[in-house]
Amino acid sequence: DAGVIQSPRHEVTEMGQEVTLRCKPISGHDYLFWYRQTMMRGLELLIYFNNNVPIDDSGMPEDRFSAKMPNASFSTLKIQPSEPRDSAVYFCASSYGTGFGNTIYFGEGSWLTVV
Amino acid sequence: SQQGEEDPQALSIQEGENATMNCSYKTSINNLQWYRQNSGRGLVHLILIRSNEREKHSGRLRVTLDTSKKSSSLLITASRAADTASYFCATDERTGANSKLTFGKGITLSVRP
Repeated sequence: DAGVIQSPRHEVTEMGQEVTLRCKPISGHDYLFWYRQTMMRGLELLIYFNNNVPIDDSGMPEDRFSAKMPNASFSTLKIQPSEPRDSAVYFCASSYGTGFGNTIYFGEGSWLTVV
Repeated sequence: SQQGEEDPQALSIQEGENATMNCSYKTSINNLQWYRQNSGRGLVHLILIRSNEREKHSGRLRVTLDTSKKSSSLLITASRAADTASYFCATDERTGANSKLTFGKGITLSVRP
């Protein structure tokens, strides 16, 4: 099993630019999560999907952030326009069955730096 | 809002010693999970304990859950240098019709060879 695959692994971009992070969940998993990790705030749940449908996006910081899941094997997290305070590690994760009641498998993260 | 709070924030021990890490939480939970994160990597699931369980073992790991005190502990026995990592507790709290897995800020464990 390839695990959760995220791209890019590292991105450095200038303030104001659009950033798109990509995720391929584990095949067969029906839940997909986007988390953000910073030193100050730790791990924050941004949004999660069940069967490609967004269930809870209350963690999305503001309208600059958007996430989509057009099919069961692909999701994107977009930041437009990006700001320096968006610098963080963004993790995609997936699970099967009861969402948070089962093991969640994390990708290796996308390390974003906005200058 | 922070649900799980780990204690201590950092722990340094000698190889072979046991490491005990604690987690406290605020609201009712369905389950509590522990994850490990090596530097620069993603989180890896270690163990899940449900709210109706009190203790669970997995290899050198032992997890306890006390729902009356809203606390959990993770014990790593006979630690190894390779156990050096950050450890997170995560609580599955039900919010309305949905649930949410909320992570603490983590404990940095250093195991000296």
